[in-house]
Amino acid sequence: SQQGEEDPQALSIQEGENATMNCSYKTSINNLQWYRQNSGRGLVHLILIRSNEREKHSGRLRVTLDTSKKSSSLLITASRAADTASYFCATVLFNQAGTALIFGKGTTLSVSS
Amino acid sequence: DSGVTQTPKHLITATGQRVTLRCSPRSGDLSVYWYQQSLDQGLQFLIQYYNGEERAKGNILERFSAQQFPDLHSELNLSSLELGDSALYFCASSFLAGMNTGELFFGEGSRLTVL
Repeated sequence: SQQGEEDPQALSIQEGENATMNCSYKTSINNLQWYRQNSGRGLVHLILIRSNEREKHSGRLRVTLDTSKKSSSLLITASRAADTASYFCATVLFNQAGTALIFGKGTTLSVSS
Repeated sequence: DSGVTQTPKHLITATGQRVTLRCSPRSGDLSVYWYQQSLDQGLQFLIQYYNGEERAKGNILERFSAQQFPDLHSELNLSSLELGDSALYFCASSFLAGMNTGELFFGEGSRLTVL
């Protein structure tokens, strides 16, 4: 089952431009995480934002969280070709089978030089 | 390097066969997760173990099973393999689990091809 949905599915930009990806989720959360995956490689954690936080920065990354709208956005400023990757949001899903970190389908970002 | 080790990196086998994927979590992490990634299904959560016990179950087929051993390494067993089982299988680990789950550390994956 999918807890988070990223939008857009794919994004193509030029180097130096900003990239914005959005994530919507369905249930209440303790935190929301963003991960990056280079083609065929393992996912790498980028940033975690807690439910009582509205905005968080890490280098060129800026994450916002709106719990009233159940949505988050990831902004990458001054994109570089090396930012080309897939980006996933993840939240903890709780059901009768337990709790686990569930990922969306991801946004594929392509940055051309 | 995430500290999570997965073996084998690549595996090619035939339909009907059985394979075992192995994962060593990051030192100190008690929780191990298995995910399957394919082009059509995306990243699907399969199962989670915490300190040797099953903690959460996702879209894991009955033909698949997993366990976590006392030394905390984990194995994912896939049997009666079908063409559709071809995918990248990821193991991830974390210290915490449940609603306080924080950052997951992912291995580089085991790419399974079923012919």
